[in-house]
Amino acid sequence: AQSVTQLDSQVPVFEEAPVELRCNYSSSVSVYLFWYVQYPNQGLQLLLKYLSGSTLVKGINGFEAEFNKSQTSFHLRKPSVHISDTAEYFCAVEVFSGGYNKLIFGAGTRLAVHP
Amino acid sequence: NAGVTQTPKFQVLKTGQSMTLQCAQDMNHEYMSWYRQDPGMGLRLIHYSVGAGITDQGEVPNGYNVSRSTTEDFPLRLLSAAPSQTSVYFCASTSRAYGYTFGSGTRLTVV
Repeated sequence: AQSVTQLDSQVPVFEEAPVELRCNYSSSVSVYLFWYVQYPNQGLQLLLKYLSGSTLVKGINGFEAEFNKSQTSFHLRKPSVHISDTAEYFCAVEVFSGGYNKLIFGAGTRLAVHP
Repeated sequence: NAGVTQTPKFQVLKTGQSMTLQCAQDMNHEYMSWYRQDPGMGLRLIHYSVGAGITDQGEVPNGYNVSRSTTEDFPLRLLSAAPSQTSVYFCASTSRAYGYTFGSGTRLTVV
């Protein structure tokens, strides 16, 4: 069965520091990978996605992620965070099973940016 | 504005009551789905639909029913609410070109 593991439930960081949010997935078939952000009391917003091609994907708000097939990872990075990046971040994998696609989410990582 | 509209935004139910969470999209997407979000568990798929008249179960379907009579609407029904169904519910509409578009969520409390 496919699964997504976000290795850190919470990541505290100071403003302007770099951050990496880790995500590993398990799947025996080709996958599409996503990172979503959820600000307090809001819905999910797509940060970036990997469908194919270049393994380094750039998204909104200065975030980027690197797809590593051999390590089955899709870690999210930002070189310098802002207070406004405080949110919960979800890694997700879309898999095709039984003829239909399904989006499977990790448990989420809460990023807290401190001044 | 194009997108996914969920109603209501907040709801409190008593155990045993029934209700329907509404979801509508105006993007003409065939694929729609319902997720529940619980602390420390991310989002889990409840039910999904690949087109009008076609629905199927996701990871956590027990206690929920769905139907898809039109492309636009995908309501989620709780027939007899239980405290374990206290959660935030998200509806999503999907296309290959634009990926998943999520609604703003319904926060449900069952007391």
